[in-house]
Amino acid sequence: KAGVTQTPRYLIKTRGQQVTLSCSPISGHRSVSWYQQTPGQGLQFLFEYFSETQRNKGNFPGRFSGRQFSNSRSEMNVSTLELGDSALYLCASSPTSGGANEQFFGPGTRLTVL
Amino acid sequence: DQQVKQNSPSLSVQEGRISILNCDYTNSMFDYFLWYKKYPAEGPTFLISISSIKDKNEDGRFTVFLNKSAKHLSLHIVPSQPGDSAVYFCAASERNYGQNFVFGPGTRLSVLP
Repeated sequence: KAGVTQTPRYLIKTRGQQVTLSCSPISGHRSVSWYQQTPGQGLQFLFEYFSETQRNKGNFPGRFSGRQFSNSRSEMNVSTLELGDSALYLCASSPTSGGANEQFFGPGTRLTVL
Repeated sequence: DQQVKQNSPSLSVQEGRISILNCDYTNSMFDYFLWYKKYPAEGPTFLISISSIKDKNEDGRFTVFLNKSAKHLSLHIVPSQPGDSAVYFCAASERNYGQNFVFGPGTRLSVLP
């Protein structure tokens, strides 16, 4: 089975721009979660999508948004980029939402905001 | 305020010895815990999990212990191997609230040959 894939792997943007990141979960997985990893804050939960609906949301401003398609693929969008948005963005999938399910992570998208 | 803490940023252990990584949490509602290993330039890889109905779970060289009263869990790796050198994250969740995992800041383990 193919793992979680994320595109692009690296991205450079300037302040004020917007960016869209993509995540394809493991086949059959319906839950996709997004995390931001920074050296100072570690991994922080952004949001989870399950069956095209946002199920959970972390403590991030409204500039961060996402969606999930009927094939479970998910996109994350960040508008009006700030320097502090530079981070590794990780996507994780699991078969269902909740319960005793581990998450399988993709390799991440490294976003640099100049 | 960090709900999941890993107070040791780094740990060095000799090959063949035991590695013990610790994790503390503050939210008594957490009932499911996982450990992940992360190599540079890769996403975290799931290692082992434990639910709050158990106090121990074992998988090969990896054992996780949970002390609910102390809100503490630990990961034991025996014997440690150089390939175990990585950053280890513990994560916690309330299972009824979806896949909203709270991660600790990580502990960098170095296993010395």
